[in-house]
Amino acid sequence: AQSVAQPEDQVNVAEGNPLTVKCTYSVSGNPYLFWYVQYPNRGLQFLLKYITGDNLVKGSYGFEAEFNKSQTSFHLKKPSALVSDSALYFCAVRATSSGNTGKLIFGQGTTLQVKP
Amino acid sequence: GAVVSQHPSRVICKSGTSVKIECRSLDFQATTMFWYRQFPKQSLMLMATSNEGSKATYEQGVEKDKFLINHASLTLSTLTVTSAHPEDSSFYICSANGAKNIQYFGAGTRLSVL
Repeated sequence: AQSVAQPEDQVNVAEGNPLTVKCTYSVSGNPYLFWYVQYPNRGLQFLLKYITGDNLVKGSYGFEAEFNKSQTSFHLKKPSALVSDSALYFCAVRATSSGNTGKLIFGQGTTLQVKP
Repeated sequence: GAVVSQHPSRVICKSGTSVKIECRSLDFQATTMFWYRQFPKQSLMLMATSNEGSKATYEQGVEKDKFLINHASLTLSTLTVTSAHPEDSSFYICSANGAKNIQYFGAGTRLSVL
């Protein structure tokens, strides 16, 4: 079965410190991996994706993520957190074996709290 | 970048009435759109895949007669919640497949059924 896990409900970091939001996945075939951010009462905003190529992917707002095939992980990182980064973050996967529907499977979401 | 517009952003209705939510891809064409439901502080639950010019594909457990989906053009999908009841109150989000395998999301609709 295809699944995405975000093991942490909440991550707390101090402003200026590096942050990591964890994500692991389980899919058949090669995965397409995504990170989205959601601010209160808003839709999801695309941050970055991994399809093929370099394992380190750079995205919007200074975020990056590292694809690790052996560990089936795709952790989101940022070298220096901002208070404005505080939001709900979702990891998602689309299995290439899912055909052309583009259906995404989402993790449970991780609330990032950055304190001044 | 690709923009998905969702309207209305918030709707309050009486129990038993129907509510229509629109999802438009503003600067790209989308043969496939998706409708999600989200409960507070929870993940998105896919309700259905909306296909332009054909019937929607509903996820298991989602009542197709309750949640009517129409995707009449390449830029518009609508979700109609028929005979809404308080338990239908939720945050509904649409998305559309854009270029480069990226799914773009609308801002969501907060439905409150009294």
